[in-house]
Amino acid sequence: GNSVTQMEGPVTLSEEAFLTINCTYTATGYPSLFWYVQYPGEGLQLLLKATKADDKGSNKGFEATYRKETTSFHLEKGSVQVSDSAVYFCALRGSNFGNEKLTFGTGTRLTIIP
Amino acid sequence: NAGVTQTPKFQVLKTGQSMTLQCAQDMNHEYMSWYRQDPGMGLRLIHYSVGAGITDQGEVPNGYNVSRSTTEDFPLRLLSAAPSQTSVYFCASSYGIGGYEAFFGQGTRLTVV
Repeated sequence: GNSVTQMEGPVTLSEEAFLTINCTYTATGYPSLFWYVQYPGEGLQLLLKATKADDKGSNKGFEATYRKETTSFHLEKGSVQVSDSAVYFCALRGSNFGNEKLTFGTGTRLTIIP
Repeated sequence: NAGVTQTPKFQVLKTGQSMTLQCAQDMNHEYMSWYRQDPGMGLRLIHYSVGAGITDQGEVPNGYNVSRSTTEDFPLRLLSAAPSQTSVYFCASSYGIGGYEAFFGQGTRLTVV
């Protein structure tokens, strides 16, 4: 079945540092890949996505590139802010029936200190 | 635009009690799901539905029932609550599969004592 492996947390960085959160996946076919973010006390919200190989998703300064050859979708940001403190989830979902469930990694808690 | 609405936000149950977690969406989405979130385990799928009248089991369905009589509503029933069901529960909906975004409710924090 499909699975997502995420970098273990928690991750603590200083403001303006470079961020990378690793994500690799196992899936049949050609899944879509997502990063969701969860702020304290809230539900998850979509941060960015990519639906085919070599696509780059981007939003709010975050980027991730769909790498089929390495089955990876690493999240990056060049200069983090305190407001980026949250839990980040990598996820995938297939495009055919029987493979339509959204599968999540375990999440990475990010804390940015001023 | 309400999106996905979950009620209640917090609940404390005694072992053996039953209850229903409500989930409603106003986006005319066909796909709805229930997840539980536990520390270190990410989100695990309990049950999902691909349309009214159609439901299926996810990764951790034991102890939970669902039904989907309308497109808008997808309630989750705990039949006989156990301490192992203490968790945060999220309902999600999406227009389609593949690259369609899933929209999440605010969550229900359930404690079983």
